Amino acid sequence: NAGVTQTPKFQVLKTGQSMTLQCAQDMNHEYMSWYRQDPGMGLRLIHYSVGAGITDQGEVPNGYNVSRSTTEDFPLRLLSAAPSQTSVYFCASARAGRGINEQFFGPGTRLTVL
Amino acid sequence: KQEVTQIPAALSVPEGENLVLNCSFTDSAIYNLQWFRQDPGKGLTSLLLIQSSQREQTSGRLNASLDKSSGRSTLYIAASQPGDSATYLCAVYGKLIFGTGTRLQVFP
Repeated sequence: NAGVTQTPKFQVLKTGQSMTLQCAQDMNHEYMSWYRQDPGMGLRLIHYSVGAGITDQGEVPNGYNVSRSTTEDFPLRLLSAAPSQTSVYFCASARAGRGINEQFFGPGTRLTVL
Repeated sequence: KQEVTQIPAALSVPEGENLVLNCSFTDSAIYNLQWFRQDPGKGLTSLLLIQSSQREQTSGRLNASLDKSSGRSTLYIAASQPGDSATYLCAVYGKLIFGTGTRLQVFP
């Protein structure tokens, strides 16, 4: 199993550009989520999904869109990038049922917005 | 709103010491608590998951305890090694809320 994969590993954008961060998992996990990690702020939940076709907002959803058309994929879209979105983005997945079980994280995408 | 605090923020110790890392949370109505390790520039590696009905979990030199009533968890690292140097994060479930981590350096 590849586990949780993320692409790209690094990305530089100009303010106003759009892009999609890709996340995929091959563990048949129902639950998937996106976090951003900023110095001194820890990891903060952006959006999450408990299954295909179901998404919900986390702690810091503004400026980001998600969709979940398949169990395996959970892309994160930045519609109009802003310098405040410079961060490291992590995708995670877990089995669902009786709450969320142990989460597995991808290697991260380091995004810089100029 | 759930808040998770980790103390100390940074720790530097000589090899061989036994360590205790602390995690506290404000809302005791949690499902599970998970400890992670993060190496510089890398993703998160799960160390231990404690379910709400459990009081502790052990894996090798690591032992994590959970006291929901007091809103605390501790991660005990026995006989620390330079390879243990990393940032250690705790996170509590409802929605997964992370602490800001303890940056550990173990020197030979």
